[in-house]
Amino acid sequence: AQSVTQLDSQVPVFEEAPVELRCNYSSSVSVYLFWYVQYPNQGLQLLLKYLSGSTLVESINGFEAEFNKSQTSFHLRKPSVHISDTAEYFCAVRPVGGYQKVTFGTGTKLQVIP
Amino acid sequence: ETGVTQSPTHLIKTRGQQVTLRCSSQSGHNTVSWYQQALGQGPQFIFQYYREEENGRGNFPPRFSGLQFPNYSSELNVNALELDDSALYLCASSLAGGTGAYNEQFFGPGTRLTVL
Repeated sequence: AQSVTQLDSQVPVFEEAPVELRCNYSSSVSVYLFWYVQYPNQGLQLLLKYLSGSTLVESINGFEAEFNKSQTSFHLRKPSVHISDTAEYFCAVRPVGGYQKVTFGTGTKLQVIP
Repeated sequence: ETGVTQSPTHLIKTRGQQVTLRCSSQSGHNTVSWYQQALGQGPQFIFQYYREEENGRGNFPPRFSGLQFPNYSSELNVNALELDDSALYLCASSLAGGTGAYNEQFFGPGTRLTVL
C-alpha cells in the first residue's frame, strides 16, 4: 500500500516570492510520483511527473520538483510565484506496473498575495 | 481529439436514493478510473475498469458499482446514498499497455454530487 503526506494544508506567499510545497510518501514498491494542480471548481491537471532518470523534473510554467529516494520526498518548488498560481496542489504516487491506482495526498492550498 | 468528459456537472439527491454518473474517456483510451474527492480532501480511488471489467478497487462498499461499455465510456452507480457521499466524483482515462509500461491518466472536470 502507498500513502502520501502533505504537511502544509495552506501556504500563503507574496507574489514574486519563492515557494516550496512539501510532500513525503511511503511505499513498499517502486512508484511513479506526480504533482497535480486543481483550480477552483475544476478537475485535476497534471503539473509534472517523475518516472525515472533525472531526479529533478520541471514543468512548463516554472515549477520543479526533486525526487529524493532516501528521504522519500518529492517537494515542489517555484522561485517566483504569480497570482495565477493560486490553486490547490496535490502530490500523488502510483505503483510501477499493476493497475493504475493513484494515491493522493490531502492537498496544499497555495494562496498568492498581491 | 476530445478530452475526458463527465455528466452531469452537478447533481442533488436525497439520502437513500440512487445515482448514476457518466464518463466519456478520451479517444483511444481503454481504461477508466473513478475517484471520490470529499470537500477539503484529496481524491480517493474507487475502482478501475479495463476492457469492460473491474480490475482494481479501493476501500469503498459494494453499493458503489460501475460499468464500462464497448466504446470504453463508463458509469459510476451509487445505491442507498448517504450524506457522506457528497463529493466531487472524478473519472480518469488512460491507455493501458504492457506490464510496467507507464500510461498517463487524464482527468475529467468532475461531477459535484450533493446528498441532502
